[in-house]
Amino acid sequence: GQQLNQSPQSMFIQEGEDVSMNCTSSSIFNTWLWYKQDPGEGPVLLIALYKAGELTSNGRLTAQFGITRKDSFLNISASIPSDVGIYFCAGDFSGSARQLTFGSGTQLTVLP
Amino acid sequence: GAVVSQHPSWVICKSGTSVKIECRSLDFQATTMFWYRQFPKQSLMLMATSNEGSKATYEQGVEKDKFLINHASLTLSTLTVTSAHPEDSSFYICSASLLAQIYEQYFGPGTRLTVT
Repeated sequence: GQQLNQSPQSMFIQEGEDVSMNCTSSSIFNTWLWYKQDPGEGPVLLIALYKAGELTSNGRLTAQFGITRKDSFLNISASIPSDVGIYFCAGDFSGSARQLTFGSGTQLTVLP
Repeated sequence: GAVVSQHPSWVICKSGTSVKIECRSLDFQATTMFWYRQFPKQSLMLMATSNEGSKATYEQGVEKDKFLINHASLTLSTLTVTSAHPEDSSFYICSASLLAQIYEQYFGPGTRLTVT
């Protein structure tokens, strides 16, 4: 099946620093979604992107849908301790099936 | 809005028994629900897509006779793990999509299944 390459796999940053992570695919995606998962919880939707080139913000989070429709990035500005968790990108390429393909996740650790 | 609940949040069962997990959309109607499985430090693996009133569509490699899915209403889907074995121990997560926002999935909190 389709695969998303998400990087980096893990990040250790100081509180207050900005963070960037991205996902790439060999296939064109129709939709890009970014989720955050805390330990023992289900993923929570952060940002949804539907158009190539779209840049969307949600508080300190900003995500973009790449022009080629094969990539997306998520930026977190001025990180805080509660940003700790696993961030997943997810994309839809299958059209009407509504299925999402998930990246492997980025484990973010914020050091005080 | 868009809240999804799961019950139970964790369950321990003996090998050979069956376990039912419920997934409910609390404040919206969901024609489509999804069931995922997640192993520690890994990503989500889609098991099946569940449409209200019809049979679920299972992903390749997922045994439909072992993982029974019922989607009887627009707010409830159930996953039954039949004749559970220790290798079925995992974190099971459901998600639901809003009718008008078909690609956004909202996830439940997950169910931790441990088979002894």
